[in-house]
Amino acid sequence: SSVLTQPPSVSVAPGEAARITCRGDNFGGERVHWYRQKPGQAPVLVIHSDSDRPSGIPERFSGSNSGNTATLTISRVEAGDEADYFCQVWDRNDDRVVFGGGTALTVL
Amino acid sequence: QVQLVESGGGVVQSGRSLRLSCAASGFSFSRYGMHWVRQAPGKGLEWVAGISYDGYRSYYTDSVRGRFVISRDNSKNTLYLQMTSLRGEDTALYYCAKDPSSASSRPDRFDYWGQGTLATVSS
Repeated sequence: SSVLTQPPSVSVAPGEAARITCRGDNFGGERVHWYRQKPGQAPVLVIHSDSDRPSGIPERFSGSNSGNTATLTISRVEAGDEADYFCQVWDRNDDRVVFGGGTALTVL
Repeated sequence: QVQLVESGGGVVQSGRSLRLSCAASGFSFSRYGMHWVRQAPGKGLEWVAGISYDGYRSYYTDSVRGRFVISRDNSKNTLYLQMTSLRGEDTALYYCAKDPSSASSRPDRFDYWGQGTLATVSS
């Protein structure tokens, strides 16, 4: 069964790029999705299918998936990007959804 | 626009039951899979259960299988989660979420979320 590991926290200065990783023990070709959750709000899908952006999500958000590591990159980080970010896959071996533990992004 | 409105949360004693509902609007409810995702206070997201567009297939995380039942009424555009034998560790904000995958596809991701309903299990 899949386990997704994310760093608990990432800090970046405004204007710099933030990279949040999601390491899977067995992605098995599954597509990785990313959500942003601000305090007191519901999660929002920011990247789906490894690298696709839903409508309304700024181009500063991008994703990649190589081997057992998926990465969410936020370029030119702004104060408003401070949030928790979660990766997610569908584990087809066990027929279940798996979330990473989440990464708190801090803008210095 | 898509709206998902959860209800039914509250405070319940350990071992008792609770039924959550999610009223959907703004899209063709009967065409999409739906899910429940929960978040314990101060913790991360945990997927609970999912159901296919037609209600014939359902999926559960191990910790709730046999205690929770997900169902839907497409005539009422409503998703349900019947929770029984509740435990303290079930205390969480429960979100209803829509899956954009087509009717013939397996579960995938969540493109719309409700604001959640809080279920608190007391001992």
